[in-house]
Amino acid sequence: DVKVTQSSRYLVKRTGEKVFLECVQDMDHENMFWYRQDPGLGLRLIYFSYDVKMKEKGDIPEGYSVSREKKERFSLILESASTNQTSMYLCASSSPRSTQYFGPGTRLLVL
Amino acid sequence: QKEVEQNSGPLSVPEGAIASLNCTYSDRGSQSFFWYRQYSGKSPELIMSIYSNGDKEDGRFTAQLNKASQYVSLLIRDSQPSDSATYLCAVTEYSSASKIIFGSGTRLSIRP
Repeated sequence: DVKVTQSSRYLVKRTGEKVFLECVQDMDHENMFWYRQDPGLGLRLIYFSYDVKMKEKGDIPEGYSVSREKKERFSLILESASTNQTSMYLCASSSPRSTQYFGPGTRLLVL
Repeated sequence: QKEVEQNSGPLSVPEGAIASLNCTYSDRGSQSFFWYRQYSGKSPELIMSIYSNGDKEDGRFTAQLNKASQYVSLLIRDSQPSDSATYLCAVTEYSSASKIIFGSGTRLSIRP
C-alpha cells in the first residue's frame, strides 16, 4: 500500500513565524504535490515537484516555497505565516500520468 | 484554463437507491480519469480510475467515461449511509506528465 505521511495533523502558529510542513512517501514516486483546501474553493495546487531538486509553481505559489532534497521527501515552507494561510494542507505523490495518493493532511491555524 | 466541472450538490439519495455523480472536463487530450471520496475533515482517497471509454465496475461502484462528450460519471448502487461524503472528479492534464486537475466536488448525502 502507498503511504504518504505528513509531519503534523494540527499546527498552531503566530503571524510572521516561519512554518515547515513535511511530507514523506514510501512508493518511490517521482511526483510530489502540495495543495491547500478551503471550504468552497476546492483543492488548489501550491507547488509540485517531478524530480529531486526540481519544482514548479502551481496555481497559488505566493507566500510559499518548497524543497525537495530527497526523492521521498517534499517540504512546504511558509516564510512568514499570515492569517490568510490558515487552511488544510494536503500532500500527494504519484508516478507520471497516474493516480495521486494523499497524506492525511495538516490543519494549520495562524493566529 | 483547463477545468473540471461538477455539480456541488448536496445530492440527497435514499438509502438503497443509486447515486449518480457527474463530471465534465475541458481538456480534450486528458487520458486518465479518477474519482476520489473525501469524508469531512479527512484527505481524499481514490475509489475508481478509468482510462478508456465505457464502463468500469468495482463492487457497488461503476465509473463511466465518454471521451467524445468529455464526460465522466460515477454510479453508486445500493447507497449506504457510509457513502455520505464529497466526491471529487479528477482528470490528468495532457500537457503535463504530472498534474491532475480536480473538480470542486459533489457533496452526497444518503438519507435513511
